[in-house]
Amino acid sequence: GAVVSQHPSWVICKSGTSVKIECRSLDFQATTMFWYRQFPKQSLMLMATSNEGSKATYEQGVEKDKFLINHASLTLSTLTVTSAHPEDSSFYICSARDAGSAYNEQFFGPGTRLTVL
Amino acid sequence: ELKVEQNPLFLSMQEGKNYTIYCNYSTTSDRLYWYRQDPGKSLESLFVLLSNGAVKQEGRLMASLDTKARLSTLHITAAVHDLSATYFCAVDKSWGKFQFGAGTQVVVTP
Repeated sequence: GAVVSQHPSWVICKSGTSVKIECRSLDFQATTMFWYRQFPKQSLMLMATSNEGSKATYEQGVEKDKFLINHASLTLSTLTVTSAHPEDSSFYICSARDAGSAYNEQFFGPGTRLTVL
Repeated sequence: ELKVEQNPLFLSMQEGKNYTIYCNYSTTSDRLYWYRQDPGKSLESLFVLLSNGAVKQEGRLMASLDTKARLSTLHITAAVHDLSATYFCAVDKSWGKFQFGAGTQVVVTP
């Protein structure tokens, strides 16, 4: 089946630093990837849609200058949390839509747990 | 704005009994997804429901979709401990953008 990886799986950083999270589709091409964040005991909230070869589109209330997204190829999207602060600590999950899928099925990565001290 | 409501948010199940989780959504959509999440883990796909009247079953889980009522149900038959997890439904808002329900935390006890 389709596999999506994320790296790193967890990261701890100091306040004010930037953190990059990678999302890769391993065995399929993903023209579109999505980034979600999940706070403890809460649901997933869509942050942005990452499109290969074009700018990401952000959901309302998500700061695009803080959460930089780059979709460099059909198998890789990166999320950079710039100048991270403790309130950015969360579980970040990416998903990738199989370009060959007829019904927008998404495959989710294992998630990255970010802790900002 | 699309709203997706799940209930109950917490479900304590006794082993061997049957239960149902409900997922209501506010606007027209014919694509609904069910996922399972274990603590500290990401999402595991359970079902993809693509049309009105769709019913899918896998083991003790069965999901159905009524697009006219904007309702999907996830039915658990003869609950077992291994089914303890949080279950999410998600609706495709547009072009793969998912709106998730709040999740139902399921705890199965003997």
